[in-house]
Amino acid sequence: QSALTQPPSASGSPGQSVTISCTGTSSDVGSYNYVSWYQQHPGKAPKLMIYEVSKRPSGVPDRFSGSKSGNTASLTVSGLQAEDEADYYCSSYAGILLFGGGTKLTVL
Amino acid sequence: QLQLQESGPGLVKPSETLSLTCTVSGGSISSNTYYWGWIRQPPGKGLEWIGNIFYSGSTYYNPSLTSRVTISVDTSKNQFSLKLNSVTAADTAVYYCARVTRFFGVARSMDVWGQGTTVTVSS
Repeated sequence: QSALTQPPSASGSPGQSVTISCTGTSSDVGSYNYVSWYQQHPGKAPKLMIYEVSKRPSGVPDRFSGSKSGNTASLTVSGLQAEDEADYYCSSYAGILLFGGGTKLTVL
Repeated sequence: QLQLQESGPGLVKPSETLSLTCTVSGGSISSNTYYWGWIRQPPGKGLEWIGNIFYSGSTYYNPSLTSRVTISVDTSKNQFSLKLNSVTAADTAVYYCARVTRFFGVARSMDVWGQGTTVTVSS
């Protein structure tokens, strides 16, 4: 199985919304509602932001939301803040665990 | 509060075996609700799932690494370990351990991560 496909970069100004896509196949993203999103700041461990497509762990701001349509999952960050600048990775269950290649989010 | 801490050598010679241990504190590794996993990140690159283990010893590996990987668990010490043999420079990475939520046998997401440990493969 191949890694999930994410755009290498995304950007937005403070206060704006930005959406990051994560494209898989009918064998992973399209078959399971077990898509997760992780935020990683430089030199830090990843942090779970979204699980099961659209659920937020306790403590994650509601500015972060997730969705899925077919073989593509999406992470939307609304009301962008400077601290949202980070790398974001999606993952999906597919019998094994697959990660996307990561998206660098820049807050302009 | 659950915490995970990786430990092991930071430098491994090519062709040798990389060995790391993850110590779990603030909670029991013997839980039906979780797997325990290893993930790595080569310098400047993305995340790669290595494998998971259940406290009973059942293991699940990335097919691309399965011939070289062994993950084991020691419930008496609340630890799980990673061994990767025949390493090359391509195995140089930050290695993370993580708690993996489990639902009817499905590995759903990694909700608690260790801080990561850098392993360099070099002679």
